[in-house]
Amino acid sequence: NAGVTQTPKFQVLKTGQSMTLQCAQDMNHEYMSWYRQDPGMGLRLIHYSVGAGITDQGEVPNGYNVSRSTTEDFPLRLLSAAPSQTSVYFCASSQYSGNTIYFGEGSWLTVV
Amino acid sequence: GQQVMQIPQYQHVQEGEDFTTYCNSSTTLSNIQWYKQRPGGHPVFLIQLVKSGEVKKQKRLTFQFGEAKKNSSLHITATQTTDVGTYFCGENRDDKIIFGKGTRLHILP
Repeated sequence: NAGVTQTPKFQVLKTGQSMTLQCAQDMNHEYMSWYRQDPGMGLRLIHYSVGAGITDQGEVPNGYNVSRSTTEDFPLRLLSAAPSQTSVYFCASSQYSGNTIYFGEGSWLTVV
Repeated sequence: GQQVMQIPQYQHVQEGEDFTTYCNSSTTLSNIQWYKQRPGGHPVFLIQLVKSGEVKKQKRLTFQFGEAKKNSSLHITATQTTDVGTYFCGENRDDKIIFGKGTRLHILP
């Protein structure tokens, strides 16, 4: 039981490049979400999903796309990376709304 | 919208001293969840409070939910170096959780 798995752990991008952060969970959780963490800003919700085929925007969705084609996977796409997207990204999942949230180990992204 | 404010943002304490962080909201909260994040790590769930005036304890940690369900606190008795990290609170509602900015705890030996 791996829990929530994120890849890659570290990535350096050039401005304008696109990339996808992968997130997979093996707990059959319905709810998945992406957060970014910046110094002094805490954890800010980017996008979330309440089940396969359903996604919604969080607090800071601009510049990011998500899809949820399966229960297990919830990739986060950066369409055209900007230095302002340099951050630590956490994927999270929970069995249902209001339940404990389990976080992945994080992906450190630097955009130069 | 959902928003919780956490104070203080930073706290330095001597090892062995007590520590308290507060989570405040202008609206009534349906619940409050607390998470701990060690330096370089990921947030880990500590506890959820749901009932007005609820108090829960985990060893040296005491969690309280206010009578009006607009505030919550986490109190650590006799801090240890293992308590270092950032403590986050958030309300889990409407299929998502919005976190406060967290309180970073530093322990001075």
